[in-house]
Amino acid sequence: EEQLVESGGGMVRPGGSLRLSCAASGLSVEDSAMSWVRQAPGKGLEWISGINWNGVSTGYADFVKGRFTISRDIAKNSLYLQMNSLRAEDTALYYCARRILTIYYGDAFDIWGQGTMVTVSS
Amino acid sequence: DIQMTQSPSSLSASVGDRVTITCRASQSISGYLNWYQQKLGKAPRFLIYSASNLQSGVPSRFSGSGSGTDFTLTISSLQPEDFATYYCQQSYSYPRTFGQGTKVEIK
Repeated sequence: EEQLVESGGGMVRPGGSLRLSCAASGLSVEDSAMSWVRQAPGKGLEWISGINWNGVSTGYADFVKGRFTISRDIAKNSLYLQMNSLRAEDTALYYCARRILTIYYGDAFDIWGQGTMVTVSS
Repeated sequence: DIQMTQSPSSLSASVGDRVTITCRASQSISGYLNWYQQKLGKAPRFLIYSASNLQSGVPSRFSGSGSGTDFTLTISSLQPEDFATYYCQQSYSYPRTFGQGTKVEIK
């Protein structure tokens, strides 16, 4: 079974840092494009960052650019999100998701983890 | 950024009802449109890709249509397990963006 399991969330003060992890099983991070998507409490889904199949090309939403860094470790079959300079508005449930190419048009997030909660508060 | 707007934000329906949710993009996205279902406390589930194609394992009562800027998700006969929040998402350009969600509640 293809599965993603996030960890590393917690409570942190504004300006602090956290590193989220996403362990994959049943699928290879090396062969996959991956993304982080977050959901603030009671709110909708928001794409944050993605890393391409080659592991080199990355992208970020403007509101995290320069503060967050996505990476992967093929040996550990894991995805990471290093979050620095955290703000109260970064409080959310953070999901990792696999991005697949779809027939006809574009791509989609087909497998999601259960999420890890990040709370930024003083 | 491409803005995705769903309507309605919420709706109440009964088991067996036909339900339609609309998603509008702020610019043409051709058929680069996906739909997800999210139940309370759960991760999103991938339902439909490229506007009208059902992901494997998704019941045939779900269907999608549209192109350009206007899209719809239809549930032909609502089942108890379909009460959830539904999100559209564009894959035309970065950043990938989602609609704000449509909550389908029990009437």
